[in-house]
Amino acid sequence: GQNIDQPTEMTATEGAIVQINCTYQTSGFNGLFWYQQHAGEAPTFLSYNVLDGLEEKGRFSSFLSRSKGYSYLLLKELQMKDSASYLCAVVDSNYQLIWGAGTKLIIKP
Amino acid sequence: GAVVSQHPSRVICKSGTSVKIECRSLDFQATTMFWYRQFPKQSLMLMATSNEGSKATYEQGVEKDKFLINHASLTLSTLTVTSAHPEDSSFYICSARTGDGGDTEAFFGQGTRLTVV
Repeated sequence: GQNIDQPTEMTATEGAIVQINCTYQTSGFNGLFWYQQHAGEAPTFLSYNVLDGLEEKGRFSSFLSRSKGYSYLLLKELQMKDSASYLCAVVDSNYQLIWGAGTKLIIKP
Repeated sequence: GAVVSQHPSRVICKSGTSVKIECRSLDFQATTMFWYRQFPKQSLMLMATSNEGSKATYEQGVEKDKFLINHASLTLSTLTVTSAHPEDSSFYICSARTGDGGDTEAFFGQGTRLTVV
C-alpha cells in the first residue's frame, strides 16, 4: 500500500529553526508537495520537489532524497504565525496526490 | 495562482435535511475536482474524485448515495450531503489541479464548515 509518515506534533521556539520530516512509500513518484494549513482554513502551497536536493524559498526550504523516500521542510526564524499544520503530499505513478496526516507545529514565545 | 472558490463557508442545518456545497474554478477549467473531508486534528481524507461529464469515483467507505457529487461543467462541481446527521458535521474542502503533470499543485477552495444539529 501507499504510506506517508510525518510526526504528529512538534514544538519549537520563536526565532528558532525546525525541521519537519516526511517519509514515503508510494507506487511511483512524480514529485512531493508541502502545504501549510492553519486551523479552520484550507491548505496553501509551500513547495514542490521532484529532483534530489534542497529548494530554498525565503525562510522555508524543502529537501528531497528520492532514493531514501525522504523529504523535510525546514523553517527558519520561526514566527508565531508559523503555528499551523504542515502537510506532505506525494504525486504517485497515476499522478494522484497522496496526503500525509500532517504535522501540527506549535510555536512558543 | 489559480483560484478555486467554495461556497458556503459555513452552514448549520437540521438533522435530516440536505446541504449543497459548490466548488468553482474561477480562472481555469478543471476536468477533475477532488472532495475532501477533515475532522478536527486530522488530515485530509479524500472522499471522491469528481469527473466532468461522468460519475464521480468514490473512495472506499464513502457512501455515494449520501454524498452526491455532480460535475456539470468544467468549472463547477457540487457536493450534496443528503439526510444529514450530526456525525456528518465536519470540514469539507474541494480542490482542483490545472493539469495532470507531476508538478501541478492542488488549489483548494476555502472549505465549508458543516454543523448538523
